[in-house]
Amino acid sequence: QSALAQPASVSGSPGQSITISCTGTSSDVGAYQYVSWYQHYPGKAPKLMIYDVFKRPSGISHRFSGSKSANTASLTISGLQAEDEADYYCSSYASSSTLVFGGGTKLTVL
Amino acid sequence: EVQLVESGGLLVQPGRSLRLSCAASGFTFEEYAMHWVRQAPGKGLEWVSGISWNSGSSGYVESVKGRFTISRDNARNSLYLQLNSLTGDDTAFYYCAKGSGVRWEHNSLDSWGQGTLVTVSS
Repeated sequence: QSALAQPASVSGSPGQSITISCTGTSSDVGAYQYVSWYQHYPGKAPKLMIYDVFKRPSGISHRFSGSKSANTASLTISGLQAEDEADYYCSSYASSSTLVFGGGTKLTVL
Repeated sequence: EVQLVESGGLLVQPGRSLRLSCAASGFTFEEYAMHWVRQAPGKGLEWVSGISWNSGSSGYVESVKGRFTISRDNARNSLYLQLNSLTGDDTAFYYCAKGSGVRWEHNSLDSWGQGTLVTVSS
């Protein structure tokens, strides 16, 4: 099972919106509504930001939103803030009976 | 507040074994699936293994099948990962994570520990 494909890096200015893509296959992202997104500051515990494609856990800002089309899921962060600068990972359940993560995207707030 | 505290990581020689532990608190441990996820130096997150609430089902990434074993003790609110036949590719921070439901499949990982470092080197 290969890792889901994410851009290595994205950047944006404060207040702008950015979107991070997560491309899989018809055996993982395209097959299930079980895509999650995690925020990870180096040296810290990862944090769940989006689950089941578009749902936000309690306490997560409405600036974070998720969507999916065919084999590609997306995380959009609107109204970028300096504190959003982190690594972001998508994950999906796969038909091979595993969970698979994306390679991670480093978000830089300019 | 959910707390997950990993322990057991250390420097170990190739071919040796190690057992990681995760102490859970702040939630009803026996009602949730649990997972191990690792991150090698300079690399991304990799799911390693998951186990259902009652140990009835578990899954592994292909690269650790037959070498790693996940287990849990609901009476002790603890999760374990037995690592055998270790290689340099197993060097990583190992994170314990709580699943969002009873099954390890179809889960998001809604709480994570800080991780414990396993270094495999001679």
